[in-house]
Amino acid sequence: DSGVTQTPKHLITATGQRVTLRCSPRSGDLSVYWYQQSLDQGLQFLIQYYNGEERAKGNILERFSAQQFPDLHSELNLSSLELGDSALYFCASSPRQNTDTQYFGPGTRLTVL
Amino acid sequence: QQQVKQSPQSLIVQKGGIPIINCAYENTAFDYFPWYQQFPGKGPALLIAIRPDVSEKKEGRFTISFNKSAKQFSLHIMDSQPGDSATYFCAASMAGGGNKLTFGTGTQLKVEL
Repeated sequence: DSGVTQTPKHLITATGQRVTLRCSPRSGDLSVYWYQQSLDQGLQFLIQYYNGEERAKGNILERFSAQQFPDLHSELNLSSLELGDSALYFCASSPRQNTDTQYFGPGTRLTVL
Repeated sequence: QQQVKQSPQSLIVQKGGIPIINCAYENTAFDYFPWYQQFPGKGPALLIAIRPDVSEKKEGRFTISFNKSAKQFSLHIMDSQPGDSATYFCAASMAGGGNKLTFGTGTQLKVEL
């Protein structure tokens, strides 16, 4: 158990809908990362937050957004969902902004029908 | 543009064998190279990591070999066991990039009795 929690574990929704994925980092970790894992694209970095502020952006679609709250939990919002958004979404955390080691949560499996 | 190339895509070895997974990178700014292990339905878990200033690192049965001039690194699993059957990902990051991880495409390892 990495200490990173993610909810929900599974999410099934329809095209055009909006969903919110939640992540609680390890106790004391200030940095949160979001990754998407799909069969065709592999594991891809989406976005990073550090102590409430956005720090780095990767291949994140404009329909997707994220935020980190004062209690350090983070949410990833996915809107106008398409079939191709079906994937595993992982959250990872690390103690500081530039700490190498990232600890991954168990993921949220999103299925868009 | 894929910046970390991983091979082979899949690998089958006998118990006690030494599977070797290879990765090559393009960006010379990368300065941290971790390997992650992922079991079905779970998040990636850090196995071992190396920095470019050393050529080899061992942790238990896992060894990373690193060749800076060739921009290649590999994972060796000594005395492999059926419990090592999983997907292995190499990755790379750079401190200046917020430590976001760029992953290889993964290698499915099966260790047979």
